[in-house]
Amino acid sequence: AQSVTQLGSHVSVSEGALVLLRCNYSSSVPPYLFWYVQYPNQGLQLLLKYTSAATLVKGINGFEAEFKKSETSFHLTKPSAHMSDAAEYFCAVSDRYDMRFGAGTRLTVKP
Amino acid sequence: DAGITQSPRHKVTETGTPVTLRCHQTENHRYMYWYRQDPGHGLRLIHYSYGVKDTDKGEVSDGYSVSRSKTEDFLLTLESATSSQTSVYFCAISSGTSAIAEQFFGPGTRLTVL
Repeated sequence: AQSVTQLGSHVSVSEGALVLLRCNYSSSVPPYLFWYVQYPNQGLQLLLKYTSAATLVKGINGFEAEFKKSETSFHLTKPSAHMSDAAEYFCAVSDRYDMRFGAGTRLTVKP
Repeated sequence: DAGITQSPRHKVTETGTPVTLRCHQTENHRYMYWYRQDPGHGLRLIHYSYGVKDTDKGEVSDGYSVSRSKTEDFLLTLESATSSQTSVYFCAISSGTSAIAEQFFGPGTRLTVL
């Protein structure tokens, strides 16, 4: 079965600093990879997805992720953190019907 | 926002009682999913449906059943609730035409089993 591992359950950055959230995947077939964000007391919202068209994927709110097959990674980055980025972030891998989520990384942004 | 509602939004029940959670969509999407979210586990798939009366098990289906008699409604039933089923439950929908199809999530139902 496909799976993802998110490194670091909590990440804290200062406002304006680089955000880096790590995700490694395991898949026997070309993976379909996603990043979702969850704000408090809400459902998940799609940030971006990898569809094999380009290795660097740009998403909403200034986030982007780079697919690196050699490293089996799909890390999420944002050049400059904003207070509104504080949330929980989930990496996921899909096999059409079976989407497997990582355990999540809670991002805290300090003023 | 995708038209997905979940009811109830909060429920407290006692061990051994039956519980039914409802997911309603207005998007006419074919695929619907039930997940549970627990700290340290992310979201785990309970059951999914790929059409009316067509359902299948997910990763953590034991103790849960589902039904889908209409395109717009997907019901999750806990026949006899246990404390281990205390969780936040999310419904999701998808056009499901390919593995890259995005899933849209409802607002969640917080269930507490005492």
